[in-house]
Amino acid sequence: DAKTTQPTSMDCAEGRAANLPCNHSTISGNEYVYWYRQIHSQGPQYIIHGLKNNETNEMASLIITEDRKSSTLILPHATLRDTAVYYCIVTSWGAQKLVFGQGTRLTINP
Amino acid sequence: SQTIHQWPATLVQPVGSPLSLECTVEGTSNPNLYWYRQAAGRGLQLLFYSVGIGQISSEVPQNLSASRPQDRQFILSSKKLLLSDSGFYLCAWKSGEQPQHFGDGTRLSIL
Repeated sequence: DAKTTQPTSMDCAEGRAANLPCNHSTISGNEYVYWYRQIHSQGPQYIIHGLKNNETNEMASLIITEDRKSSTLILPHATLRDTAVYYCIVTSWGAQKLVFGQGTRLTINP
Repeated sequence: SQTIHQWPATLVQPVGSPLSLECTVEGTSNPNLYWYRQAAGRGLQLLFYSVGIGQISSEVPQNLSASRPQDRQFILSSKKLLLSDSGFYLCAWKSGEQPQHFGDGTRLSIL
């Protein structure tokens, strides 16, 4: 699986858009980009995934660059409940293992 | 809709005691099932996964074992716990084209 690089921590004001970057320069053609988040003392929560097109669901938007070497997770209107560690994971569709790095600790400030 | 249940939520066990953590999934058939562990301050590590009843794959050598006696039941066990077995244990499931979904975890402390 390709390695991902994320900032250790970020802050965002409540009500603003939170943009979380992820670098995955060694991603291969059949690998997807997944985003999960983990709120303190809970299990990871699936957010969104994509292959090469931008994706949007009720939780977030995922923007993948044309060369697929990086992506950005966007939480359009962050709330205090979005404070969590966000993980960017690159893996092939049929892979059994999700490799979690250290993620980005996002703090939403009132 | 699918749901996943793990219990207990927290557990304190003495060194050398046995362990049994249970995970069940509802609302889906023949899911892939997973056990992960998260040590304090570290990322999640896949311990075992299962693609069907009685089929267990181990990712890392360790003091733990897993079993899948029924389609939607996954059990994590140990005969004798070590201090290093402390951590946050998470069960997950995946079915078809859906991504992996995680339970709320069991926080295990070994004394």
